[in-house]
Amino acid sequence: AQKITQTQPGMFVQEKEAVTLDCTYDTSDPSYGLFWYKQPSSGEMIFLIYQGSYDQQNATEGRYSLNFQKARKSANLVISASQLGDSAMYFCAMREEGGSEKLVFGKGTKLTVNP
Amino acid sequence: KAGVTQTPRYLIKTRGQQVTLSCSPISGHRSVSWYQQTPGQGLQFLFEYFSETQRNKGNFPGRFSGRQFSNSRSEMNVSTLELGDSALYLCASSLVSRGKKTQYFGPGTRLLVL
Repeated sequence: AQKITQTQPGMFVQEKEAVTLDCTYDTSDPSYGLFWYKQPSSGEMIFLIYQGSYDQQNATEGRYSLNFQKARKSANLVISASQLGDSAMYFCAMREEGGSEKLVFGKGTKLTVNP
Repeated sequence: KAGVTQTPRYLIKTRGQQVTLSCSPISGHRSVSWYQQTPGQGLQFLFEYFSETQRNKGNFPGRFSGRQFSNSRSEMNVSTLELGDSALYLCASSLVSRGKKTQYFGPGTRLLVL
């Protein structure tokens, strides 16, 4: 069964510094995708970044990068140059690429950016 | 391109009532997935529809049902509401962008059952 583990319930970072949010996953399927979403207090889930299991390069999207270590089954999100607007819940999710769009989510990490 | 839209945004119901939530995916998308988010259980997959057919279903009681129309709009229905059904209900549709298939979510419907 698929499982996503986010071990950091809360994280604090100073504005303009980088922060890493941890995510480990478990699956027996060789083909899968990993996602990170941001959820501000308004509730909307905002897509940040995607990494496919067969991608050779780590994914990057602006200030977001994904540190993908396949052998360790980890997919950590790195946010560079944190901004006050980055304060939110962050969720890691996985989809097994068997045709269904079903995502399995971790419990999330609450990030607080301090001025 | 317009994003995923959900209506209504907020809803208050009483126990025993039923409720219908609506989701319009991004134009051209044929897959719609529904999720329930609660403080205790987190984000849980409800079901997925693709071309008007339910393709996958999560572990929820039969009170939760859904359907998809020919224009890909989807509805989910919860009958005989219970207090524990109070949650944020999110729907998502899939988009292929730069060769990758990603999922984009709507703003959600907040349901409060009294």
